[in-house]
Amino acid sequence: ETGVTQTPRHLVMGMTNKKSLKCEQHLGHNAMYWYKQSAKKPLELMFVYNFKEQTENNSVPSRFSPECPNSSHLFLHLHTLQPEDSALYLCASSLEAGEERDTQYFGPGTRLTVL
Amino acid sequence: GDSVTQMEGPVTLSEEAFLTINCTYTATGYPSLFWYVQYPGEGLQLLLKATKADDKGSNKGFEATYRKETTSFHLEKGSVQVSDSAVYFCALSVASGTYKYIFGTGTRLKVLA
Repeated sequence: ETGVTQTPRHLVMGMTNKKSLKCEQHLGHNAMYWYKQSAKKPLELMFVYNFKEQTENNSVPSRFSPECPNSSHLFLHLHTLQPEDSALYLCASSLEAGEERDTQYFGPGTRLTVL
Repeated sequence: GDSVTQMEGPVTLSEEAFLTINCTYTATGYPSLFWYVQYPGEGLQLLLKATKADDKGSNKGFEATYRKETTSFHLEKGSVQVSDSAVYFCALSVASGTYKYIFGTGTRLKVLA
């Protein structure tokens, strides 16, 4: 498989559930990102990992917990979410974070619905 | 702070019409500028980019020129096709202190046959 893959593609969860989103990139990149895409709002950068180290956390609530075990895999652990957290969660990768000319490569996203 | 502003959609055009989607930015430092496209049910994919002033990015008939004097990066295509229907995002990347990758709100384009 090539590019950036995300699983699951769709997820429905209650506010008391715990679930995880998974992202995998097959591009040999060293940086990975989580974004939140909500209707009529700009894409929100949530977390940045560079060489497995978290370098950015844009004031994301603690109910979202990222994990990056290696440069190819990125997880987003979810617990006690709120209905307003319903959105499309996009994973992306690039050669290296902080290299402003780098293109980001996106996965197809996980459509999350919190009931 | 750093930001990207793009025209609100939706934009509806007939096939073979000329397309312009406006994008302006504010940034400290010298950003790189990007246009990404998102087709239904997919993630964003790079359409074109420009990394310094006066650079022109082009791909699949789309073009955009990095205009530092007007802080703009407008997307143009001379003749749109139905297959161009998608959401288009303008974005900037700048590394000044902290690394930032900022997207606009997106402009939905619908092309009618």
